[in-house]
Amino acid sequence: DVKVTQSSRYLVKRTGEKVFLECVQDMDHENMFWYRQDPGLGLRLIYFSYDVKMKEKGDIPEGYSVSREKKERFSLILESASTNQTSMYLCASSLSEREGQYFGPGTRLLVL
Amino acid sequence: AQSVTQPDIHITVSEGASLELRCNYSYGATPYLFWYVQSPGQGLQLLLKYFSGDTLVQGIKGFEAEFKRSQSSFNLRKPSVHWSDAAEYFCAVGGIEVSGGYNKLIFGAGTRLAVHP
Repeated sequence: DVKVTQSSRYLVKRTGEKVFLECVQDMDHENMFWYRQDPGLGLRLIYFSYDVKMKEKGDIPEGYSVSREKKERFSLILESASTNQTSMYLCASSLSEREGQYFGPGTRLLVL
Repeated sequence: AQSVTQPDIHITVSEGASLELRCNYSYGATPYLFWYVQSPGQGLQLLLKYFSGDTLVQGIKGFEAEFKRSQSSFNLRKPSVHWSDAAEYFCAVGGIEVSGGYNKLIFGAGTRLAVHP
């Protein structure tokens, strides 16, 4: 079974703090993704990566950056957290498009 | 623009009743099609997928879905619902939009299923 883990289930941060969300997958997948999920807005793609050190902007990259130094790990960085970044963050990985994406349990981030 | 529509925001069924969740997409060719389930506070779990072949696909937890090209639909079904099926269900479509060499997954807005005892 594919396993995607995220470093924290719940996180509380202050406005202006730098926040790191970590995601690790154990299936040697090339592709990894970060989404945020908000009521009424559904899932929105923030960034994705199709190879080590490669990254592509998704639909809402503003205020975020990512890092992929190793194949199994994809990090989402909030350089200076703001209250409008309070959300559920979901990481996913994928072997290929037709196989679908496998999601982690999510990190619920609250920015005060 | 390509889109995925789940017409029902909320559905309530009785335990043991049959279930059908609707999904329609707008795209000329046959995309990759997926159904996911999300329990409260959890990530999304892949229920089933379709990309070619038999248009009726079986998934986990007793779910199945049927691809109908003429209707651009991929409806999810279960013959007998269990209380543990209460969750939010997302239809997703891939192979449509190219970005950076990778086709993105487009999600529907979701259908929240409640199950009455």
